[in-house]
Amino acid sequence: DGGITQSPKYLFRKEGQNVTLSCEQNLNHDAMYWYRQDPGQGLRLIYYSQIVNDFQKGDIAEGYSVSREKKESFPLTVTSAQKNPTAFYLCASSAHSNTEAFFGQGTRLTVV
Amino acid sequence: AQSVAQPEDQVNVAEGNPLTVKCTYSVSGNPYLFWYVQYPNRGLQFLLKYITGDNLVKGSYGFEAEFNKSQTSFHLKKPSALVSDSALYFCAVRDSGNTGKLIFGQGTTLQVKP
Repeated sequence: DGGITQSPKYLFRKEGQNVTLSCEQNLNHDAMYWYRQDPGQGLRLIYYSQIVNDFQKGDIAEGYSVSREKKESFPLTVTSAQKNPTAFYLCASSAHSNTEAFFGQGTRLTVV
Repeated sequence: AQSVAQPEDQVNVAEGNPLTVKCTYSVSGNPYLFWYVQYPNRGLQFLLKYITGDNLVKGSYGFEAEFNKSQTSFHLKKPSALVSDSALYFCAVRDSGNTGKLIFGQGTTLQVKP
């Protein structure tokens, strides 16, 4: 069963904690992306990676970090520096920069 | 600056009637345009794309979209709406920097009533 898998589906974070969201794809896609979704604001790009061991900041990278050690995996860490982390996080991948992106089912992060 | 606008927060339509969800864009160069649908607490599902060619693009679940270069629009359409089409719809344009980044509109909630 091919696709993009995000885990966990729901995540709760205490103030001051770092948490890591998992994103794995078996589509053999080169490019991977992390988006944040807030109500009424559409999706905003956090980080993206076009190739293994390389990644770039998106529009709202502050308070987040990523790694791309394997083609299949692009984990996102939400650090304690992110002041308003409660949101729905979506991971996506695409074969090339000019093809459509496919999305995972999302992780809903809540600060408690 | 590149941007996408979806001027309607919500569109209401009766089942069986045609539907249109509007999208306009601003981008340098030739636009690569996409429509996605999102059901509650789920990821985005790809519906269709315009890269080049015919201005009328056909996609999944009976949806189609019309690209209009002079009006910089890419409206999503369906001839006969279903209650199950009720969802959140996003229009997106690919960033012109060849990174594959997508710039999304705010989203439009489609409500189809029986």
